[in-house]
Amino acid sequence: LAKTTQPISMDSYEGQEVNITCSHNNIATNDYITWYQQFPSQGPRFIIQGYKTKVTNEVASLFIPADRKSSTLSLPRVSLSDTAVYYCLVPNYGGSQGNLIFGKGTKLSVKP
Amino acid sequence: KAGVTQTPRYLIKTRGQQVTLSCSPISGHRSVSWYQQTPGQGLQFLFEYFSETQRNKGNFPGRFSGRQFSNSRSEMNVSTLELGDSALYLCASSQTSAVYNEQFFGPGTRLTVL
Repeated sequence: LAKTTQPISMDSYEGQEVNITCSHNNIATNDYITWYQQFPSQGPRFIIQGYKTKVTNEVASLFIPADRKSSTLSLPRVSLSDTAVYYCLVPNYGGSQGNLIFGKGTKLSVKP
Repeated sequence: KAGVTQTPRYLIKTRGQQVTLSCSPISGHRSVSWYQQTPGQGLQFLFEYFSETQRNKGNFPGRFSGRQFSNSRSEMNVSTLELGDSALYLCASSQTSAVYNEQFFGPGTRLTVL
């Protein structure tokens, strides 16, 4: 069973860079790592997905070291509106096709 | 392009009843996944449907079932409701694979079992 481990919660202040690290020791060779964001009373929203090294889009960067046993989501200059739960996901192949296991995520609280 | 829609948004049932929830995916998306979210267990995968076939299933009892129609719309059914089934049920659609493609989530259906 593919499993990820990430901090339960993190605190930050507006304008700071936030890095959330996720461990995924038994990730398969071809698996992608995906991050989602969820605000209260809403469904999760895709943030970024990567396979190796570094991926950057307009909202975040994803750093994946060579051994791929962990990954770090980086949010530059967070604002109050970035307060949310962040999920690190890797595929689980328990069924005929893979699915994503969300777990409980990291609750990020951004303070003024 | 319209997003994922779920109906109803809120539902109150009593123990022993059954319930059917509906999900309309984004146009062109063929994969629909269902999730249950509770404060204690977080967001848990229920099942995924693709081209009217269930191709993956989470660790839930047989009381939870689903189906997908030829237009990709999906329904999930919970029979013999229990208090512990109270949760937010989320539906997500993606173009093909829910693993390798971005999933778009609906607003959810809040089910309360009394």
